[in-house]
Amino acid sequence: GAVVSQHPSWVICKSGTSVKIECRSLDFQATTMFWYRQFPKQSLMLMATSNEGSKATYEQGVEKDKFLINHASLTLSTLTVTSAHPEDSSFYICSATRVSQPQHFGDGTRLSIL
Amino acid sequence: GENVEQHPSTLSVQEGDSAVIKCTYSDSASNYFPWYKQELGKRPQLIIDIRSNVGEKKDQRIAVTLNKTAKHFSLHITETQPEDSAVYFCASGRSARQLTFGSGTQLTVLP
Repeated sequence: GAVVSQHPSWVICKSGTSVKIECRSLDFQATTMFWYRQFPKQSLMLMATSNEGSKATYEQGVEKDKFLINHASLTLSTLTVTSAHPEDSSFYICSATRVSQPQHFGDGTRLSIL
Repeated sequence: GENVEQHPSTLSVQEGDSAVIKCTYSDSASNYFPWYKQELGKRPQLIIDIRSNVGEKKDQRIAVTLNKTAKHFSLHITETQPEDSAVYFCASGRSARQLTFGSGTQLTVLP
């Protein structure tokens, strides 16, 4: 149980385009989903916390207008990187949890902006 | 906010030996401490977690110990195998919804 699916797994796009990443909890209802960014050989940096039906809470230094998060249902959260630039290239990974349960991670999305 | 320090950053052990990774945290109110294993290019997977009402938890070859007074916790892997090679992250928080991750330890088990 506790399977989290993330799509796409890899995306390459041109500078200036927007990219949407989906995170789905397949076998449980996730009251909270998280979005992390991970640079090579570094730790997981929390970008934002998303509760179903409410606005996401962004960590300090994360631009909410650039990284749009929508958590429309208990099984789906999306992260849209708007007007992406090369410096946005990274590994983005989501996790999901419900009350009193651990965070379960998706497989991550490797984003490359040319 | 919470600050988590993890050591060592890299660790090499011979197959069959034990491996120990240590973490310290700063928030005395933290009471949930998970450990995740991440293989290259894959998702972090929860391998064990502990809450502050216990001092030690064991699951086969993996154990975690917690010292709340000193604010540190450790991961112990016994009888290491090559498939244990991965990056291990500790985390600390007041709940699973409020985690701060350590910087990671690259464990290499040499055959």
